[in-house]
Amino acid sequence: ETGVTQSPTHLIKTRGQQVTLRCSSQSGHNTVSWYQQALGQGPQFIFQYYREEENGRGNFPPRFSGLQFPNYSSELNVNALELDDSALYLCASSLTAGGREETQYFGPGTRLLVL
Amino acid sequence: AQSVTQLGSHVSVSEGALVLLRCNYSSSVPPYLFWYVQYPNQGLQLLLKYTSAATLVKGINGFEAEFKKSETSFHLTKPSAHMSDAAEYFCAVSVLDMRFGAGTRLTVKP
Repeated sequence: ETGVTQSPTHLIKTRGQQVTLRCSSQSGHNTVSWYQQALGQGPQFIFQYYREEENGRGNFPPRFSGLQFPNYSSELNVNALELDDSALYLCASSLTAGGREETQYFGPGTRLLVL
Repeated sequence: AQSVTQLGSHVSVSEGALVLLRCNYSSSVPPYLFWYVQYPNQGLQLLLKYTSAATLVKGINGFEAEFKKSETSFHLTKPSAHMSDAAEYFCAVSVLDMRFGAGTRLTVKP
């Protein structure tokens, strides 16, 4: 196990609702990245947080937003849910030092179903 | 921008046979390269990584990968497949952020 935890494990929402997913990073890590993995596809990068600041963003609309807290845990918020948001959401934590990010370690994911 | 291409969405081998999963990358700067494995309904587990040291990288569970700059490849191999190796395998490249391939599903036949 990596020490990265995510909650909840499963979630069902309806279109238009809002959702918050949570991630606790591995001890000693200061960077958290979020990914969306649709069924049968590879993970797609949503964004990354380093020391509580957004440190990169993939091709996702602004209704996907995030936070990182002083203890380096993180939240992913999705507003105005759409059917296509149904996916496995993965959080990964890592250590960034000397300007370079080290290996990302993944949590088990949160499976979101939007009806 | 960096990217990876995994050749073959499905690979099937017999137990005890060689496993070869192909990955080609594109990057304008020296990249870090990774192989992750995903079992059903689970997150991703790191198998191995290349960070510009030795070109032959050994990972967990008997897997290894060789970085070939001239071929822009980072293929994953295992000499002898085991039933427990059946899973989805993802190659990834990291420069500014992590980019994953579409994945290769490995099936191991008894």
